[in-house]
Amino acid sequence: AQTVTQSQPEMSVQEAETVTLSCTYDTSENNYYLFWYKQPPSRQMILVIRQEAYKQQNATENRFSVNFQKAAKSFSLKISDSQLGDTAMYFCALTGANNLFFGTGTRLTVIP
Amino acid sequence: DAGVIQSPRHEVTEMGQEVTLRCKPISGHNSLFWYRQTMMRGLELLIYFNNNVPIDDSGMPEDRFSAKMPNASFSTLKIQPSEPRDSAVYFCASSWAGTSGVNTQYFGPGTRLTVL
Repeated sequence: AQTVTQSQPEMSVQEAETVTLSCTYDTSENNYYLFWYKQPPSRQMILVIRQEAYKQQNATENRFSVNFQKAAKSFSLKISDSQLGDTAMYFCALTGANNLFFGTGTRLTVIP
Repeated sequence: DAGVIQSPRHEVTEMGQEVTLRCKPISGHNSLFWYRQTMMRGLELLIYFNNNVPIDDSGMPEDRFSAKMPNASFSTLKIQPSEPRDSAVYFCASSWAGTSGVNTQYFGPGTRLTVL
């Protein structure tokens, strides 16, 4: 069975600081993708970053980067230089062939 | 590209009424997904289509829910009759699913449904 676990329901970080959100997963698929989505108060689901499982290099998008540990089935998101606009729910997601799974989310608050 | 388009953005109806939610996926995408998000249950996949064909509808809560995709550019999610517990935000998402399976999903803005 495929599962996605986000063990941190809530987190906070001071503006300009760095924060890491955790995600672990389980899958029997060999080819899969991992994603982080952001959901601000507007409720729009916004793609933050994605990682192909076959790529060893960690994905990076500006201030957002991931630490992908395939053997440990871990996929954490690091946000550098946190900004007030980063305040949102963050969902880790796993897809594969015909499998679509989201974690329960981490609510991140950036404190001025 | 306009992104995934959903309508209406907000819907308020009374228990027992029929509700139809609409979605236009991103042009060129061949997979479409309907999700429901509530505080209690989080984000749930209801159904997804590939090339207009329903692939997995195991998330559809009961027979009151039905979804169609008559062509590549339009899908509907219908609830008949609606109940207060159906109140939620309903998201549509689309993606390009190639030979490697489901790929990046892009979400619409959602429809906030309130059933009184």
